Amino acid sequence: NAGVTQTPKFRILKIGQSMTLQCTQDMNHNYMYWYRQDPGMGLKLIYYSVGAGITDKGEVPNGYNVSRSTTEDFPLRLELAAPSQTSVYFCASSYGQGAGNTIYFGEGSWLTVV
Amino acid sequence: DAKTTQPPSMDCAEGRAANLPCNHSTISGNEYVYWYRQIHSQGPQYIIHGLKNNETNEMASLIITEDRKSSTLILPHATLRDTAVYYCIVRDPIQTSGTYKYIFGTGTRLKVLA
Repeated sequence: NAGVTQTPKFRILKIGQSMTLQCTQDMNHNYMYWYRQDPGMGLKLIYYSVGAGITDKGEVPNGYNVSRSTTEDFPLRLELAAPSQTSVYFCASSYGQGAGNTIYFGEGSWLTVV
Repeated sequence: DAKTTQPPSMDCAEGRAANLPCNHSTISGNEYVYWYRQIHSQGPQYIIHGLKNNETNEMASLIITEDRKSSTLILPHATLRDTAVYYCIVRDPIQTSGTYKYIFGTGTRLKVLA
């Protein structure tokens, strides 16, 4: 049972480079999320999606883009990487948003921008 | 901002019960309290959630006060593997979309001591 799978697990980028963090889930969940976690801090929501073709901004969307062409996949794109984007990125999913729904997280992607 | 308040750290002896408190004084009447934990370098893991009644599963128990303004997560027999950061979460509605975001504060860093 794979759950939420993220790739790559580790990546070093140079300032100004671009890259895409991949996320896929095999639970047929409608909702998907991208969070970032800076050292010693809680998670902050970057973008979320309520279903294929629908995405919206979270708390800290600047410098990122997402797409949701299928139910399973929710890639996060970093354009023109900056040192401030050095962080751990977590993708998550949930079946719904009704009270009592839980979300499931991937194992994280460690990104360093130098 | 997180809608919950937790102590930053706690220690617990191995084999003893770990009681982790959380204040959520602004919780609305139909909103659940969720608990997650994050073991070092891993994605957050769901533990338990509850509305007003006490809940128990194979991982933990959740005690919610009658006024619902606070709760306590109980790990009945803590082991070294329970050393982690524990997050108490009340979802925050995203007004423009009707969806919710899970706000992770800085949580409680639990250290289980041998």
